[in-house]
Amino acid sequence: DAGVIQSPRHEVTEMGQEVTLRCKPISGHNSLFWYRQTMMRGLELLIYFNNNVPIDDSGMPEDRFSAKMPNASFSTLKIQPSEPRDSAVYFCASSQLAGGPSSYNEQFFGPGTRLTVL
Amino acid sequence: AQTVTQSQPEMSVQEAETVTLSCTYDTSESDYYLFWYKQPPSRQMILVIRQEAYKQQNATENRFSVNFQKAAKSFSLKISDSQLGDAAMYFCAYRKRGNKLVFGAGTILRVKS
Repeated sequence: DAGVIQSPRHEVTEMGQEVTLRCKPISGHNSLFWYRQTMMRGLELLIYFNNNVPIDDSGMPEDRFSAKMPNASFSTLKIQPSEPRDSAVYFCASSQLAGGPSSYNEQFFGPGTRLTVL
Repeated sequence: AQTVTQSQPEMSVQEAETVTLSCTYDTSESDYYLFWYKQPPSRQMILVIRQEAYKQQNATENRFSVNFQKAAKSFSLKISDSQLGDAAMYFCAYRKRGNKLVFGAGTILRVKS
């Protein structure tokens, strides 16, 4: 099993440019999560999808951020226009949809994308 | 809203000794799950151990064990026989039924040889 795949692993861009981060979840998983990690704010959930439908996007910082999941095997997180304060590590995670009380539904994390906005 | 608090920004332990990382959480739910994740310098998030709130027995995974005190809303991680490879950032996380994980701020663990 390849695990959660994220691309690119590193991205350096200039302020004002559009940035697209990509994620391929584990096959068979039907929940997908986008997190952002910074020194100041720690790990924050940005948005998550169940069965390709956005469930909670309350963590998305502002309109410059958007996420899509066109099918069960692919998701994107887009920042347009990017700003220096968006510099962070962005993680994608996937899990099986939460079931009954005996189900852990562990989230498996990808390796992250380190974004630097100059 | 649920919150997770890790009051120790940084801890140190001598190799082969035992260390305990603290975590408290706030929730009004009775059915939930608790996790400890490890993040080494590679940045990869690795699940270390997990606990279902309705289980009274503390979870154990080899050298890792938890002390789950439901009434006190406390979920500490004990690492026995610490190894150099245990050096990492450790995150405590909470999830109620549903999928949203709430993370603590993390504790950096340093292991001295």
